[in-house]
Amino acid sequence: NAGVMQNPRHLVRRRGQEARLRCSPMKGHSHVYWYRQLPEEGLKFMVYLQKENIIDESGMPKERFSAEFPKEGPSILRIQQVVRGDSAAYFCASSPSAGAGITGELFFGEGSRLTVL
Amino acid sequence: DQQVKQNSPSLSVQEGRISILNCDYTNSMFDYFLWYKKYPAEGPTFLISISSIKDKNEDGRFTVFLNKSAKHLSLHIVPSQPGDSAVYFCAPTSGTYKYIFGTGTRLKVLA
Repeated sequence: NAGVMQNPRHLVRRRGQEARLRCSPMKGHSHVYWYRQLPEEGLKFMVYLQKENIIDESGMPKERFSAEFPKEGPSILRIQQVVRGDSAAYFCASSPSAGAGITGELFFGEGSRLTVL
Repeated sequence: DQQVKQNSPSLSVQEGRISILNCDYTNSMFDYFLWYKKYPAEGPTFLISISSIKDKNEDGRFTVFLNKSAKHLSLHIVPSQPGDSAVYFCAPTSGTYKYIFGTGTRLKVLA
């Protein structure tokens, strides 16, 4: 299956712990996007990365959140010192090129559901 | 600031009838509009899109209509099938990866 792969699918953390979410894009895709869906809301853009570069992190909270997409390996969204408000579904998407809104759609993974106790 | 509104959180339709899902937006810079479908515990999957230079795009049972002057788009599914039961999100963009998702409409097609 060459789809976008996310893991873990479910993650439970206590307040103050760290959460790491991983995303492997579709084969041939070098553009990765992270979106977050809070309960009863639509998905909201967080960050856009290409290999080894953060292109746009305007949707990411300034503190505790970071993302990377190393040369080798999956993209990682890291949340330090989690709080209850971080409980959400985190979706990763990929595309073969930038400006996907013009050239086509983003391909989403199944999401990682973070629960903070 | 809610740029995209899907005012019907849920919709029930009989199998074989038409489903109409609506989406309103405020940002006149949006020039590409996508619809995504989402099943429980899965990621959104692309369904159909329309460019702002068009007012209609059709793909099989799915048709999207765009009314730029009213800043309104709608998704028509006809005939509706039980497998169409899902949450539908409209996601406009101004030509970038920053899709602005609506809150979704949960469609239930009754057999």
